[in-house]
Amino acid sequence: QQPVQSPQAVILREGEDAVINCSSSKALYSVHWYRQKHGEAPVFLMILLKGGEQKGHDKISASFNEKKQQSSLYLTASQLSYSGTYFCGTVRTGANNLFFGTGTRLTVIP
Amino acid sequence: SQTIHQWPATLVQPVGSPLSLECTVEGTSNPNLYWYRQAAGRGLQLLFYSVGIGQISSEVPQNLSASRPQDRQFILSSKKLLLSDSGFYLCACNPGTDNIQYFGAGTRLSVL
Repeated sequence: QQPVQSPQAVILREGEDAVINCSSSKALYSVHWYRQKHGEAPVFLMILLKGGEQKGHDKISASFNEKKQQSSLYLTASQLSYSGTYFCGTVRTGANNLFFGTGTRLTVIP
Repeated sequence: SQTIHQWPATLVQPVGSPLSLECTVEGTSNPNLYWYRQAAGRGLQLLFYSVGIGQISSEVPQNLSASRPQDRQFILSSKKLLLSDSGFYLCACNPGTDNIQYFGAGTRLSVL
């Protein structure tokens, strides 16, 4: 039930854009995105609900394709502070548990 | 908003010694509580979750146990630590809104 994320790792220069994908084999009710900086706890970024709109948070936004059980996180004009590991979490339709993906390590270099 | 307290921040324990990690939550009532373990450079492994006092669900059979003696207190224990118990232990709280989980700062455990 664990969602699959891609890519596993990505290196960007400041100002470049990145897309992180999350996919599930099950029908989803919601998708969550978290960022974990090195040595710290994960921090909640945003949630996308079935039937909801695309969300945004500064220059980080996400979409949720319910039919394909996929979500994408878009990082625009990346900053050094965006570095970290990004996890998606999924909640299946009719369930209550949140399952975290395998993570994507994002490194932004000057 | 809720605050999740975890302590200690780091812990070094010998193999075979007992373990007790405590997590307390402020700012919410009757939350769902979770214990995760994260190996270096790896993902989040759910160990236990609790939907109420005395209610514990175990996700992975191992030599760890969890207890919830009070509504906002969640304890992770072991009678005898193994080398493989080393990792970053995270407590998380779901206050009840759309399954969003908020994490404590974590405890980095090294078993030597």
